[in-house]
Amino acid sequence: DAGITQSPRHKVTETGTPVTLRCHQTENHRYMYWYRQDPGHGLRLIHYSYGVKDTDKGEVSDGYSVSRSKTEDFLLTLESATSSQTSVYFCAISDRGFYGYTFGSGTRLTVV
Amino acid sequence: GNSVTQMEGPVTLSEEAFLTINCTYTATGYPSLFWYVQYPGEGLQLLLKATKADDKGSNKGFEATYRKETTSFHLEKGSVQVSDSAVYFCALSMTTDSWGKLQFGAGTQVVVTP
Repeated sequence: DAGITQSPRHKVTETGTPVTLRCHQTENHRYMYWYRQDPGHGLRLIHYSYGVKDTDKGEVSDGYSVSRSKTEDFLLTLESATSSQTSVYFCAISDRGFYGYTFGSGTRLTVV
Repeated sequence: GNSVTQMEGPVTLSEEAFLTINCTYTATGYPSLFWYVQYPGEGLQLLLKATKADDKGSNKGFEATYRKETTSFHLEKGSVQVSDSAVYFCALSMTTDSWGKLQFGAGTQVVVTP
């Protein structure tokens, strides 16, 4: 979507390797979120950020860490990838919290 | 905790048919309610929203009314097109949550045939 980009779009990695996904925004929005999408579960919140260096855990944060050193970038790291982390990962941004999000196009991650 | 329940799909319809996707929620307090749509290979897009009871959200011919008494936010469209084929997600966010975290339903796939 315009103003928010995710990279890479697709990645295949091996079990046990670290992986970093990047979310970049040009909207100067305060809030950023990482979700994973899995069949039958909808989207589940992994981590979120409400400002530079201000981050917190969502409902499925185990095995993931995040960093936000600049307003525009929010990085998601899988510390040691497992097959259960095979998923589609979406980043979202918001300027007013509960008024709704703008989503990125997603990263399809396969852990083999 | 808060939760959103949607009807399971896929829902298969013919073009120009009437579409309803049921969504109910459980929340302690007063949520804002949303419908998002995901077209194949894309991210989610906000379709419509309602922030208080009896509000009606509408966009692109879709409508949903926030019903506090039945804790529901059903999505409707009077005449669907093939281009409406997508996955639809119902979601809520608590207005007391200043970080605006969204809780999503599992999604309902809609397939519209010519």
